[in-house]
Amino acid sequence: AQSVTQPDIHITVSEGASLELRCNYSYGATPYLFWYVQSPGQGLQLLLKYFSGDTLVQGIKGFEAEFKRSQSSFNLRKPSVHWSDAAEYFCAVGTGGFKTIFGAGTRLFVKA
Amino acid sequence: GAGVSQSPSNKVTEKGKDVELRCDPISGHTALYWYRQSLGQGLEFLIYFQGNSAPDKSGLPSDRFSAERTGGSVSTLTIQRTQQEDSAVYLCASSMEYQETQYFGPGTRLLVL
Repeated sequence: AQSVTQPDIHITVSEGASLELRCNYSYGATPYLFWYVQSPGQGLQLLLKYFSGDTLVQGIKGFEAEFKRSQSSFNLRKPSVHWSDAAEYFCAVGTGGFKTIFGAGTRLFVKA
Repeated sequence: GAGVSQSPSNKVTEKGKDVELRCDPISGHTALYWYRQSLGQGLEFLIYFQGNSAPDKSGLPSDRFSAERTGGSVSTLTIQRTQQEDSAVYLCASSMEYQETQYFGPGTRLLVL
């Protein structure tokens, strides 16, 4: 069965430090992959997506993610975190049938 | 409107009462999804509408939950005889036909006392 795992429930980084949020998926074919961000009291906003092609994907707000088929991973990165990046981040897998599976989320805390 | 809207933004109800949650998708989006997000949890898929096709109801947790989509646009999620475990944020999303990217509304926060 398809699944998405985000191993880190929460992460704390200092402002200006680099960030990597981990995501592993289980799916038999090449998936569609997404990262969404949810600020407190808000809905989810798409950061970036991978459908095919270049495995390094650039998104909004300076985020990028890399699809590694051999590791079944799609980790999210940012070279320098800003305080406004504090939010919850969800990795998701689309299976081509319009049913998207979301991970449990990673809450990012940014300290000054 | 420019985005997905949901109403009410917050709803407090008593155990055993029925509630209706509304979603207005982005104009032109043929696909509409409902999710439930419980405290500290990820998104739980509830139901999916695509055009005039029969909805995918495989995620509805019990027969107390139902949803309809009128005229291919607005959708209503109904929870009958609410229970305390129904307390959660209910998120609606829409997408264009054959597109995987979903656009989310701000959610309805439901509290069942």
